Amino acid sequence: AQSVTQLGSHVSVSEGALVLLRCNYSSSVPPYLFWYVQYPNQGLQLLLKYTSAATLVKGINGFEAEFKKSETSFHLTKPSAHMSDAAEYFCAVSERSGGYQKVTFGIGTKLQVIP
Amino acid sequence: SQTIHQWPATLVQPVGSPLSLECTVEGTSNPNLYWYRQAAGRGLQLLFYSVGIGQISSEVPQNLSASRPQDRQFILSSKKLLLSDSGFYLCAWSVSGGIDTQYFGPGTRLTVL
Repeated sequence: AQSVTQLGSHVSVSEGALVLLRCNYSSSVPPYLFWYVQYPNQGLQLLLKYTSAATLVKGINGFEAEFKKSETSFHLTKPSAHMSDAAEYFCAVSERSGGYQKVTFGIGTKLQVIP
Repeated sequence: SQTIHQWPATLVQPVGSPLSLECTVEGTSNPNLYWYRQAAGRGLQLLFYSVGIGQISSEVPQNLSASRPQDRQFILSSKKLLLSDSGFYLCAWSVSGGIDTQYFGPGTRLTVL
């Protein structure tokens, strides 16, 4: 069974500082991995995804994530935080299950950006 | 381009009343469709998924049901709401047959009083 662990349900960074949101996964097959962002009272928006191509994945809004198989990690980073990055971030792992795509989400990390 | 709609955006209902939430997708055919519930501090819980018209699978036993009367329409229902049904309900779609991104609707905030 697949699972996702997001370390830190709340993370605070200063504006302009490095953003690092941690995600570890477990999967019985090569995983597809995703990061989503959610602003208050909105749906989830895809930031980036890993689908077994390049291990360093670049996404929208300056975010990127690196797939490390040996560490079973897929941490999300951004060099310089902006106030507009304040949101909740979800890591997810996906695999085929029967005829559909089973996606397991982490519990989310709320990012606070301090001016 | 594809878009996904959900309505209503917010809903306040008394305990014991019925529920109907609707989700529609535009710009794609034969999508896989999903209903999730999001509770504070608990991430997203998959409630139902559908790979085609009339084909519904449930992930967890509960007070809710789902139907897919048309290819791009997915409905979440309940005959009698419980307090525990309160939450943020998200509909999503993905391309049929593959492992790919799930695209989410704007969500419905349900409060059961």
